[in-house]
Amino acid sequence: NAGVTQTPKFQVLKTGQSMTLQCAQDMNHNSMYWYRQDPGMGLRLIYYSASEGTTDKGEVPNGYNVSRLNKREFSLRLESAAPSQTSVYFCASSEWDRGGSNQPQHFGDGTRLSIL
Amino acid sequence: LAKTTQPISMDSYEGQEVNITCSHNNIATNDYITWYQQFPSQGPRFIIQGYKTKVTNEVASLFIPADRKSSTLSLPRVSLSDTAVYYCLVGGSSGTYKYIFGTGTRLKVLA
Repeated sequence: NAGVTQTPKFQVLKTGQSMTLQCAQDMNHNSMYWYRQDPGMGLRLIYYSASEGTTDKGEVPNGYNVSRLNKREFSLRLESAAPSQTSVYFCASSEWDRGGSNQPQHFGDGTRLSIL
Repeated sequence: LAKTTQPISMDSYEGQEVNITCSHNNIATNDYITWYQQFPSQGPRFIIQGYKTKVTNEVASLFIPADRKSSTLSLPRVSLSDTAVYYCLVGGSSGTYKYIFGTGTRLKVLA
């Protein structure tokens, strides 16, 4: 019963390096999300993918790119990492109900990213 | 986007009932109200969701007044393991994917 799996769990980067965070879900959900959580803060939406083949910006998209590789996988890329991107990154997925409303999200356990 | 307001923190003792209220004055007609629980070093976990009146499951109850501008999460007989951050979200209506989590309510359960 894996749910949402994120890799890696921890990563340390130097400023300017690039990095791709991987996320996969096995619940056949249509929608997937990437959030960041800074210390003592709530989650902020970076990007989301309503369905396979579509992506859209959330609250804080600058400095990130995403790829919805297929229905299962949604990756987040930092092209040139900056110390301000030090955070915990969470991936989530959800499904639509028959009325077209979005059901609760299922989250992974996060990737802890430090940028020096 | 609907914004929510919750108390920053709450303390309770084991065995007590805990009620956490969330204000969401600009909730849209078709929005749901959803509560999540987050433990340190883990992702948020779904607790309960409702649209109106009262919803109950095996872990919590959710009370929503008729105007839907607020909601109350009720945790019966809390234990030390209920110490966590609790987030209230509104949204989920068709075509809505941008959820705002806010800072949540830090619940500390004392022995």
